[in-house]
Parts: sequence; C-alpha cells; structure tokens
Amino acid sequence: GAGVSQSPSNKVTEKGKDVELRCDPISGHTALYWYRQSLGQGLEFLIYFQGNSAPDKSGLPSDRFSAERTGGSVSTLTIQRTQQEDSAVYLCASSLAYRVGPDTQYFGPGTRLTVL
Amino acid sequence: AQTVTQSQPEMSVQEAETVTLSCTYDTSESDYYLFWYKQPPSRQMILVIRQEAYKQQNATENRFSVNFQKAAKSFSLKISDSQLGDAAMYFCAYRSLGSQGNLIFGKGTKLSVKP
Repeated sequence: GAGVSQSPSNKVTEKGKDVELRCDPISGHTALYWYRQSLGQGLEFLIYFQGNSAPDKSGLPSDRFSAERTGGSVSTLTIQRTQQEDSAVYLCASSLAYRVGPDTQYFGPGTRLTVL
Repeated sequence: AQTVTQSQPEMSVQEAETVTLSCTYDTSESDYYLFWYKQPPSRQMILVIRQEAYKQQNATENRFSVNFQKAAKSFSLKISDSQLGDAAMYFCAYRSLGSQGNLIFGKGTKLSVKP
C-alpha cells in the first residue's frame, strides 16, 4: 500500500514568514510523529499524536512551532515567524500503535525547509 | 535521559565485503527496543532491523545482522556481502517501552561502498 507522504518536498521561505508542512500517514496508523533533522542537532523528536489523545508537544523547540492532526489522519506542522535556524529536513513517521510491541515507525521522504 | 552514540561518522567497505557499524546507548531501563535505519540520498528513512531488549537472540534480516550486548549496552550492525545499494547514512535508534514512543537517534554513520 501507499507509504507516508509529505508535501512540499522542498520549501524556501524568507525569514519571518509562516510555513505549513503536511504529512499523510499510512492508512490505519494511529500514531504519528514529527522529527527534525538538521546538521548541527541530528534527528530530534518534535511532537507525536496517538489516536484522539492530546498530542505530546514536549519536543517542540519554541512556541513558534505547532501541529495539528485532523480526523486522526493528515497532520500539519506550522512554523510561525521562521528563523534561519529553522532550516532543516522535517520528517514525519507513522505507526500502528506505539504501545504494541516494537511498533515500527515508517517514515516519509521529508520536507527540506530553507529559510533565507 | 537515554542517549545513543555512533562513534564512526564515516565508514567505507569494498563491494562484497563485510562491515560493522557501532552503536552504544545509555539507559537505566531494562526493557526497550533498538533499531537500525538506513537513509539513502532520497532522504527516506528505511527500517533495516530491530531488536527487542528482552530477546537474547540477535536479530537477522538477510545480509544484515546485529550483535546485541545488553550488559555492555552495545548494538552493532553487520552488513555482509556489501552491495553498492547499501551506501547510505545509517542511524541507530532507541525506543523506551514506557515513553510516548518517540525514537532517540544517534548522529549517524555514513557508509560508502567501493566497487
């Protein structure tokens, strides 16, 4: 079946602008994760959603970052007033249910964000 | 907090040879999961192999196998009969049983395969 998809593939924006990144998880996966991959910090966890539960936002680096997941499926990560340090690849992953066994996470191809 | 360390930023292997990528981790938990992911230039992270900490037997997936040493907190990946398509970044990752499920990644090892 279809894997995790993300859009756009690449995004170039100017400092101070808002951006929205989209993630379509694998159908039936109740858990959804956002990670950020940057040269200096490696791969960092940002936020996760599990079913209809309140999201865990413990990894968000600042209040400029927010995310929502509509209808338990598609998720949007929003970065307000972008800064140059926000430049990174944003990866989305989904899994069946994090409390069930190893619960492998399947990743999308990511969105490369460049803030000028 | 748990940490994952990959001490080899880059590795190189000749095609058809065997290479081992190192990974160590730090945790006070007794049960957890460990993973190796591959990230080719396309950016898509692909699961290579996974290991449940409570299982003593080392996981194997075709040409990929792990050497899991729980007491030493070591989880190395061995790639046998290396192929050109194995060239990629390899990330070791840890996941707690009791946490929200997010993965904790090492910094990665860039593997080059020479023809």
